Amino acid sequence: SQTIHQWPATLVQPVGSPLSLECTVEGTSNPNLYWYRQAAGRGLQLLFYSVGIGQISSEVPQNLSASRPQDRQFILSSKKLLLSDSGFYLCAWSNPGEGRDTQYFGPGTRLTVL
Amino acid sequence: QQQVKQSPQSLIVQKGGISIINCAYENTAFDYFPWYQQFPGKGPALLIAIRPDVSEKKEGRFTISFNKSAKQFSLHIMDSQPGDSATYFCAASRGSSNTGKLIFGQGTTLQVKP
Repeated sequence: SQTIHQWPATLVQPVGSPLSLECTVEGTSNPNLYWYRQAAGRGLQLLFYSVGIGQISSEVPQNLSASRPQDRQFILSSKKLLLSDSGFYLCAWSNPGEGRDTQYFGPGTRLTVL
Repeated sequence: QQQVKQSPQSLIVQKGGISIINCAYENTAFDYFPWYQQFPGKGPALLIAIRPDVSEKKEGRFTISFNKSAKQFSLHIMDSQPGDSATYFCAASRGSSNTGKLIFGQGTTLQVKP
């Protein structure tokens, strides 16, 4: 069965510090991968998605970036965090072979920027 | 045209009652409509989904009703239980796209009172 991991689970970082969040998927090959951000009590904002290694599409211009160095690994980064980067970051995957549009979410990373 | 509008924003229902959450969309190319359930501090989990070739889909106490001509779909939770208290998101996508991107509604916070 497929499993999605995210780490760390929680993170407290000072303004201006760098960020690296990691997401890995097990049990599937060549998945589509997605990064979302969810502000407190708000909806899901799609940040990046990837349909293959090295292929990253950005949905919202901001100081975040994403990379996909391996088939089942997706990384969200920032060189300098802003207060507004605080939120709940969710990684998701879908399987193009079974219908691209059913997405399965990871447990999330709670980021607090102080 | 890419929006999915969800209502109500919050909902309070007595135990045993029926919870109804509505969503409306504009893009007639959408052909996949999932509902996600999210508990506090967790990632959203796929609850039930429908494609426009049927007008209703039922899984246990959860039913999706779909009205293609009105471009609306709704989630009905029968015999609502306190354990159903969560945030619910509707979403829509165009299955022919290779991105698998989902357009999410803003969410509905459901509270089921015992």
